[in-house]
Amino acid sequence: GQQVMQIPQYQHVQEGEDFTTYCNSSTTLSNIQWYKQRPGGHPVFLIQLVKSGEVKKQKRLTFQFGEAKKNSSLHITATQTTDVGTYFCARLGNDYKLSFGAGTTVTVRA
Amino acid sequence: NAGVTQTPKFQVLKTGQSMTLQCAQDMNHEYMSWYRQDPGMGLRLIHYSVGAGITDQGEVPNGYNVSRSTTEDFPLRLLSAAPSQTSVYFCASSYGDGLAEAFFGQGTRLTVV
Repeated sequence: GQQVMQIPQYQHVQEGEDFTTYCNSSTTLSNIQWYKQRPGGHPVFLIQLVKSGEVKKQKRLTFQFGEAKKNSSLHITATQTTDVGTYFCARLGNDYKLSFGAGTTVTVRA
Repeated sequence: NAGVTQTPKFQVLKTGQSMTLQCAQDMNHEYMSWYRQDPGMGLRLIHYSVGAGITDQGEVPNGYNVSRSTTEDFPLRLLSAAPSQTSVYFCASSYGDGLAEAFFGQGTRLTVV
C-alpha cells in the first residue's frame, strides 16, 4: 500500500536542544496526522494537517505540511525529558485506512 | 467516558491455540480498527470497520478474523496462534467524517510460545 516514510528512525537529543523529524510520501497526501507514543503507552493524537504549506504550533512543537503535500515535519524546540517517546505520522486514505509510518523514537540526554 | 477499552492487557498462548482480543468503545464512533506493533515497523493495520456489519482487510490480515455486530464492539480473533503473531495489539476508533483523530486503547501484549 501507499506508505509514509519517517526519518530518522532514532533521534538522541541533548536536553535543551532542538530537533526535527520528517515524514515523506511518494504520492500527494490529502492529510497527515501526527501521534506520540510514550514508552509502554499507546499512541495519542497530536495534530492533523490538511492544507498545502500549513503550519501549526503546540507550545514547543511546530508541525508543517509541505507545499506539494508530499511531506511533513515535526520540529521540537528546547527538548525536555517529557518529549521522550515515539512520534508517528499517519495518512488517512480515501478508503478510510489510517496508515502509519515506522516512527521516530526520541531519547533525551539530561 | 471510558474511551476505547481493550482486554486482556497481557496474554500468553501456546502455538495452535485460538483466542479473542476484545475491544469496546463508548464514543459512538463509526470507524474501528486493529493494529499490531512490532519493533521498528510502526503500526500495521490488520482489519478495520467503517460501521456495524462492515469489515475489510488491512495490510496484514492473515491469521486474524473480525466481526462488527454492534457499533461498540470490534473483537479480533486469532484462529490458530503462531509465534509470528507475538506482538502488541492496539484497537482504535474514530468518528465517521474521515478526518478525525483516532483514539487508541491501552493495548494487548500477546506472546505466543
